[in-house]
Amino acid sequence: TQLLEQSPQFLSIQEGENLTVYCNSSSVFSSLQWYRQEPGEGPVLLVTVVTGGEVKKLKRLTFQFGDARKDSSLHITAAQPGDTGLYLCAGGDEEYGNKLVFGAGTILRVKS
Amino acid sequence: DSGVTQTPKHLITATGQRVTLRCSPRSGDLSVYWYQQSLDQGLQFLIQYYNGEERAKGNILERFSAQQFPDLHSELNLSSLELGDSALYFCASSVSTIAPGNTIYFGEGSWLTVV
Repeated sequence: TQLLEQSPQFLSIQEGENLTVYCNSSSVFSSLQWYRQEPGEGPVLLVTVVTGGEVKKLKRLTFQFGDARKDSSLHITAAQPGDTGLYLCAGGDEEYGNKLVFGAGTILRVKS
Repeated sequence: DSGVTQTPKHLITATGQRVTLRCSPRSGDLSVYWYQQSLDQGLQFLIQYYNGEERAKGNILERFSAQQFPDLHSELNLSSLELGDSALYFCASSVSTIAPGNTIYFGEGSWLTVV
């Protein structure tokens, strides 16, 4: 069974600080996606990375896929209160990419 | 608004009962996915349909079943409900299969409470 361990579980920081969320597994994934979910809503896709070592930037968010395609990180620079939410990583099954394995999530709170 | 519509938004039912959750995918999307989100299990993949046919299966219980109709809407049937089935059930859709650049869109979910 493929598992994704996400850390930290909770993060409370001040506006302007930087943070990194990690997503680790012993399994290889065909792709890695990051989602953000707000209360009462479904997860919203932020990015998909597919190549080992790939780095993608989305404004203040930087996403990296590990060389071996087993881990990923999300780095937020100068966090803002609007970044508050639940961040989820999800790995595409190596054999069948349609099946996404989700991490438990990181609850981020950015205080102003 | 993701364009994925789920009904009902909230549902309270008793143990042993059966419920049906409905999902309308985004216009043009052929793939429908069902996920279950609970506090202890997180977000778990249940099943995927593509253009009416079952494409992938995850941690879906035998008491649960799903189907996708010719108009592409999908239903998730949950029977012999137990307290542990209380969760948020999400439907998601995508144009085809999950591939780079092929975004999967989630609905707002159906909250199921079993009492």
